[in-house]
Amino acid sequence: EIVLTQSPDFQSVTPKEKVTITCRASQSIGSSLHWYQQKPDQSPKLLIKYASQSISGVPSRFSGSGSGTDFTLTINSLEAEDAATYYCHQSSSLPPYTFGQGTKLEIK
Amino acid sequence: QVQLVESGGGLVKPGGSLRLSCAASGLTFSDFYMSWIRQAPGKGLEWVSYISPSGDYTTYADSVKGRFTISRDNAKNSLYLQMNSLRAEDTALYYCARGHLDLHYWGRGTLVTVSS
Repeated sequence: EIVLTQSPDFQSVTPKEKVTITCRASQSIGSSLHWYQQKPDQSPKLLIKYASQSISGVPSRFSGSGSGTDFTLTINSLEAEDAATYYCHQSSSLPPYTFGQGTKLEIK
Repeated sequence: QVQLVESGGGLVKPGGSLRLSCAASGLTFSDFYMSWIRQAPGKGLEWVSYISPSGDYTTYADSVKGRFTISRDNAKNSLYLQMNSLRAEDTALYYCARGHLDLHYWGRGTLVTVSS
């Protein structure tokens, strides 16, 4: 089973800051890495697919990069509405398709 | 727009069974893989199972293999999860989602509580 480890687990940031969340895979997964945002009491929402591909309707301040084992979600010019937990998710080769443990973003 | 609506959750005793449903609209249901993902209270996301568009291929997380069965009825635009031999650790909010790789649309979930 491929293990995804996110860092940090928690981050408190101010509006307009740039935020970087990392996700490291226990083995190479190519670009089969997706990012989701989950706001309190809501279902997850796909932000970025295949490491860096944007999703229609998602603000352009969200971007992704990486390949192999190391991936990054970047939020440029953070807004108050970005307070949420962010998860990475891998779908490389065969199941199980695992999730990272989540990164909770608090807006100061 | 795409809508996925889960139902069938509830309180069940350990060892009991439940059948979850997911009603899909706004998409050509028979074209898509479908998945179940769960989230224990206050915890992260756990992939449970997915099924191919025709229903001829299914796969499961080790934690539910042999106890849960995923199925679909394309004529009814519906996805199902039959859960047997339920355990306390199966307590979670169960989401259905479109796809099996990148999960583009999610329902709001249905809560399953396993407790005596």
